[in-house]
Amino acid sequence: AQSVTQLGSHVSVSEGALVLLRCNYSSSVPPYLFWYVQYPNQGLQLLLKYTSAATLVKGINGFEAEFKKSETSFHLTKPSAHMSDAAEYFCAVSFSGNTGKLIFGQGTTLQVKP
Amino acid sequence: GAGVSQSPSNKVTEKGKDVELRCDPISGHTALYWYRQSLGQGLEFLIYFQGNSAPDKSGLPSDRFSAERTGGSVSTLTIQRTQQEDSAVYLCASSFEPGRMNTEAFFGQGTRLTVV
Repeated sequence: AQSVTQLGSHVSVSEGALVLLRCNYSSSVPPYLFWYVQYPNQGLQLLLKYTSAATLVKGINGFEAEFKKSETSFHLTKPSAHMSDAAEYFCAVSFSGNTGKLIFGQGTTLQVKP
Repeated sequence: GAGVSQSPSNKVTEKGKDVELRCDPISGHTALYWYRQSLGQGLEFLIYFQGNSAPDKSGLPSDRFSAERTGGSVSTLTIQRTQQEDSAVYLCASSFEPGRMNTEAFFGQGTRLTVV
């Protein structure tokens, strides 16, 4: 069965520090991988997605993620955190030719300290 | 409209009452999804509509939950005899070509349901 695991429900960094949010997936078929961000009282916004092209994917707001098949990982990074990055981040997976149904990780809340 | 629209944004209901939540997808999007976001459960898939095909109802938690999509556009999620554990944020999403490489699901802002 396919699943997504996000390590760490809460991550706290200082403004200007590196952001690293971890995501591992379990799948028997090649996945599509996504990171979504949710700001308070808002819906989900797509940050970036991996769809079997380049393994290093650049998204909005300076975020990027690298697909590592050998590690079944798709960790999200940003070199320098900004206060406005404080939000909840969700990793998700879907599959080619499927319904597009997303399977989500449990989410990671990012806190950015001044 | 420009995005996925959901209404109401907030709903408080008494235990045992029925509620209807509405989703208006992006024009031209053939696929529509409902998800539920609750504390301790994360984001759970509920139901999926694609064109005129039979919906995928595999995520509906009980027979108190149902959904329909009229005319391939607006969708209504109905919860009958609401229970306190139904309290959650219900998110709707739509996409143009589900399962294709470059597709993306666009989410509405959600309906926060509180059952008291």
